[in-house]
Amino acid sequence: DAKTTQPTSMDCAEGRAANLPCNHSTISGNEYVYWYRQIHSQGPQYIIHGLKNNETNEMASLIITEDRKSSTLILPHATLRDTAVYYCIVRVPRGNNDMRFGAGTRLTVKP
Amino acid sequence: EAGVTQFPSHSVIEKGQTVTLRCDPISGHDNLYWYRRVMGKEIKFLLHFVKESKQDESGMPNNRFLAERTGGTYSTLKVQPAELEDSGVYFCASSQGLFGALNTGELFFGEGSRLTVL
Repeated sequence: DAKTTQPTSMDCAEGRAANLPCNHSTISGNEYVYWYRQIHSQGPQYIIHGLKNNETNEMASLIITEDRKSSTLILPHATLRDTAVYYCIVRVPRGNNDMRFGAGTRLTVKP
Repeated sequence: EAGVTQFPSHSVIEKGQTVTLRCDPISGHDNLYWYRRVMGKEIKFLLHFVKESKQDESGMPNNRFLAERTGGTYSTLKVQPAELEDSGVYFCASSQGLFGALNTGELFFGEGSRLTVL
């Protein structure tokens, strides 16, 4: 699986959009971009994933650049409960393919 | 539908003792994974079962760790004898098989078992 690079930490004001970048310049054509988050000591939680088109669900939006070498996770209206470590992972979406986590970005949403 | 469940949620043992963690994956999920997060460190992959077979155990720290998945349903992770550095949160995850119309490749995680070795 391709390696990703994320900022170590970010702050965001409550109610504002949180934009979390991720670089994955060595991504392969069949690899998807996945985002997970871990709130405090809970189990990692799936957020969203995509291949090349922008994706949106009830939690977030995923913007992938045309060359697919980077992406941005957008939390449109961040709340205090969104404070967590966010992981960007690129992998082939086979059911039997495990997930490898990096250091992630620690997002702190402030009042 | 029940999610991935792990037991116990927290275990406190003394160095040298044995602990067994259990994971019940989502029903029908062939793939089961174990991960560990040690305090201040990244979430690390330990191993991956496909049904009852070990697909990849490259992340297992040493031979004090033994994972089993008899019958391809629930899995256990035994640490014997436990050392101080084994303290951390052990996560289990499961996913559907290789082929599936709705298979997004998503891993579903449990809430973890916190192990404290004194």
